[in-house]
Amino acid sequence: GENVEQHPSTLSVQEGDSAVIKCTYSDSASNYFPWYKQELGKGPQLIIDIRSNVGEKKDQRIAVTLNKTAKHFSLHITETQPEDSAVYFCAASSGGGADGLTFGKGTHLIIQP
Amino acid sequence: DAGVIQSPRHEVTEMGQEVTLRCKPISGHNSLFWYRQTMMRGLELLIYFNNNVPIDDSGMPEDRFSAKMPNASFSTLKIQPSEPRDSAVYFCATWRVTGELFFGEGSRLTVL
Repeated sequence: GENVEQHPSTLSVQEGDSAVIKCTYSDSASNYFPWYKQELGKGPQLIIDIRSNVGEKKDQRIAVTLNKTAKHFSLHITETQPEDSAVYFCAASSGGGADGLTFGKGTHLIIQP
Repeated sequence: DAGVIQSPRHEVTEMGQEVTLRCKPISGHNSLFWYRQTMMRGLELLIYFNNNVPIDDSGMPEDRFSAKMPNASFSTLKIQPSEPRDSAVYFCATWRVTGELFFGEGSRLTVL
């Protein structure tokens, strides 16, 4: 089955700086790569996703890149703000999400004021 | 729409007791997933349903765990008998064709 590795487990950045979280996946059939944000006491919430036919996608301060050859994808957050502090999860699926997602272990992002 | 609704939000029980977690999915979402979240293992897929039919239960840890979806508006995850190692946050999530999984706020289970 699919295996998703995520790094780092904890990331502390100064407010206004950029944050990058990286993930690798094992199943070459995976075609859907979402990123979820989880705030304390809540369920994960989708913030951005990318499909295998696209190399990069951007939504305001958030961007995701995908390298299918190397089987890795990354989340980039620019101009970080205090409300960006949360746990971020990457995930992968070979069925576009219909058969569930395999998640990475998560990155605790801390924005220092 | 109210989103995915889970109950109870918190449950504390003693080892050996039966635990039932409940989920009301978003109307019109025809796939439902149960995940378990722990610090050690992260988010693990336990089972999922498509049109109320269980499709893959390979993630269910053992026979003590069972899940049902009697209709499109309701699903349960049952643990009988419960053990301390079952302590975790259990999430229900529903899926729509755009690919997005919508999670409930979770049920935090503590087994003493």
